[in-house]
Amino acid sequence: GDSVTQTEGPVTVSESESLIINCTYSATSIAYPNLFWYVRYPGEGLQLLLKVITAGQKGSSRGFEATYNKETTSFHLQKASVQESDSAVYYCALGYNTGNYKYVFGAGTRLKVIA
Amino acid sequence: NSKVIQTPRYLVKGQGQKAKMRCIPEKGHPVVFWYQQNKNNEFKFLINFQNQEVLQQIDMTEKRFSAECPSNSPCSLEIQSSEAGDSALYLCASSLQGNTLYFGAGTRLSVL
Repeated sequence: GDSVTQTEGPVTVSESESLIINCTYSATSIAYPNLFWYVRYPGEGLQLLLKVITAGQKGSSRGFEATYNKETTSFHLQKASVQESDSAVYYCALGYNTGNYKYVFGAGTRLKVIA
Repeated sequence: NSKVIQTPRYLVKGQGQKAKMRCIPEKGHPVVFWYQQNKNNEFKFLINFQNQEVLQQIDMTEKRFSAECPSNSPCSLEIQSSEAGDSALYLCASSLQGNTLYFGAGTRLSVL
């Protein structure tokens, strides 16, 4: 079946350092699913961070970037310089519609940014 | 901030009691999903709607849950007889065309 695997947390990074959270996916019903990163900040609901629907394209938001790589079936999340306010849980997900809507979420990666 | 409104934020029930939670989707979004997120952060799809019609649901939902999305009223998800294993965060998400989900803050259910 479909699956999403991401970096197991918690991940601790010092402020101003770079970050990469790995995400790989497997989609059995569709070649090119839509790919998403969602984020849950402490005390808040799940928010869409960025999405990419075309293989080879890059999405970006709030200094984060992720590139849809169909060769490696990956969608790694990167940021050049993290801030304490980036501390949150990040979820990678895939979605598609082949007559039925389907979304699959990774288990989340807890990021802690320390000063 | 999310435009999907879920109430209540917290719900505490005894085993065997009914547990009902509500969701107001983002205005104009005809597609609504319900997920259960457990303590391991795993998402379990429960049911989805397009307008007022059920599109898909899992067996558990069909047997122990009742859900609806009436027009001009909040969507709702109700567990008929709560079990300890139902303790989780229940997430409602809405979508314009089904291609991107927008989530509410969730209802955290504790079954004692």
